[in-house]
Order: sequence, then structure tokens, then C-alpha cells
Amino acid sequence: EIVMTQSPATLSVSPGERATLSCRASQSVSSDLAWYQQKPGQAPRLLIYGASTRATGIPARFSGSGSGTEFTLTISSLQSEDFAVYYCQQYNNWPPGFGGGTKVEIK
Amino acid sequence: QVQLQQSGPGLVKPSQTLSLTCAISGDSVSSSSAAWNWIRQSPSRGLEWLGRTYYRSKWYNDYEVSVKSRVTINPDTSKNQFSLQMNSVTPEDTAVYYCTRGAGAIDSWGQGTLVTVSS
Repeated sequence: EIVMTQSPATLSVSPGERATLSCRASQSVSSDLAWYQQKPGQAPRLLIYGASTRATGIPARFSGSGSGTEFTLTISSLQSEDFAVYYCQQYNNWPPGFGGGTKVEIK
Repeated sequence: QVQLQQSGPGLVKPSQTLSLTCAISGDSVSSSSAAWNWIRQSPSRGLEWLGRTYYRSKWYNDYEVSVKSRVTINPDTSKNQFSLQMNSVTPEDTAVYYCTRGAGAIDSWGQGTLVTVSS
């Protein structure tokens, strides 16, 4: 089973600043990597798939990069609605697995 | 746009069976490109994939190893829905359960059902 590790666990950022979130896989997942945003009381929402392709309706300030074992989600200029928990997920091998999440909070 | 509507009890007694159903609109459970999954989320275990069902000329199921002996996911083509059954539940199975669509990345989620295992 592939283990997904996210860092940092918590990221304190001011509105308008850039946020960089990391995700590492215990073995290569190629580009089979997705990112999700989850707000309290809601289901996760797909942001990025294929490591770098934005899902439908996702603003351009969200971007993903990486391949193999190292991935990054960047939010170029944080808006108030972006403060949430972010998860990465690999779907290269069964079972698909999620990272433990990064909470982006207001600084 | 696909919508997933979950139904089922929010309280289950220990050792009994957890049963949830997910009604699909905007897509077909028999779609040859989709997969239909159950995922749960708890503070202690995070997001955990339980299993999936999908149709590729015939029906397939995959289950996560840790729950494989207790979980069954079944499609119901007559009602365009799919279901989750988990036997012999314990308090550790307390979680929010989601039905989802996605053969890789998950693009649609049900509203979530908080299932509490308690006597």
C-alpha cells in the first residue's frame, strides 16, 4: 500500500499571500495524483487531477505540479474562501489513498 | 451534472450490520467509464477508501484489505443506485461515510452520513 504524507500539518498564511503545500508518496504514483479542498461540514471538493489539471470551475490561482513521488499544490493569492483543509490522493495503485491533510489557517 | 443522494441509519449497534444506499442522478451505475466508491472519514483514521463497484462488460468489485471480510458493495441497476453493507461493526467504525464517483480522482461526492456505532 502506498503511503501519502503531507506537510506541513498546519500552514498559517495571510490573505493575499502565496501558500505552498507538499505531498509525498512512498513510491512512484506517476502523475496519478489529485488534490481536494474540504471545509467544515462539507464533503471534499476536487481541485486538481493528473497532478496538474484543474477540475471544472476551479480558479486559476490553484495550481498543481510534480510527478513520481513529490507533488505541490500552490495557491497563488489566498482568498478568504480558501482557508480549509487540503488533501492529496493517489490513484495509481489499489487502494487509492489519501494524505493526512494540511490545514490552511488565517495568520 | 451527477448528484449522489445517500440514505441509511445514523446509529448502528455493535456487532450489527451497517447498510447505506446511494441513489445516482445524472449518470448510470452501469457506466463503462465510471466507478462507484464508498469512502469514510474519521478523526482517528482520516479519509479511508472502503471499496468500489464498476462495470466493464461485467461487474467488478475491489475492497480495501482491512475491511474486505466485512464489506459488500452492490450495484442496483433497476434503481440506478449502489449500496454498502458492513458486517460486525464496532465503535471503531464510527465515521462519516461518503458515496462517490470516480475511477481515479473523485469528482462527485454524496452529502455524507454520520454513522455512530453505539449500544
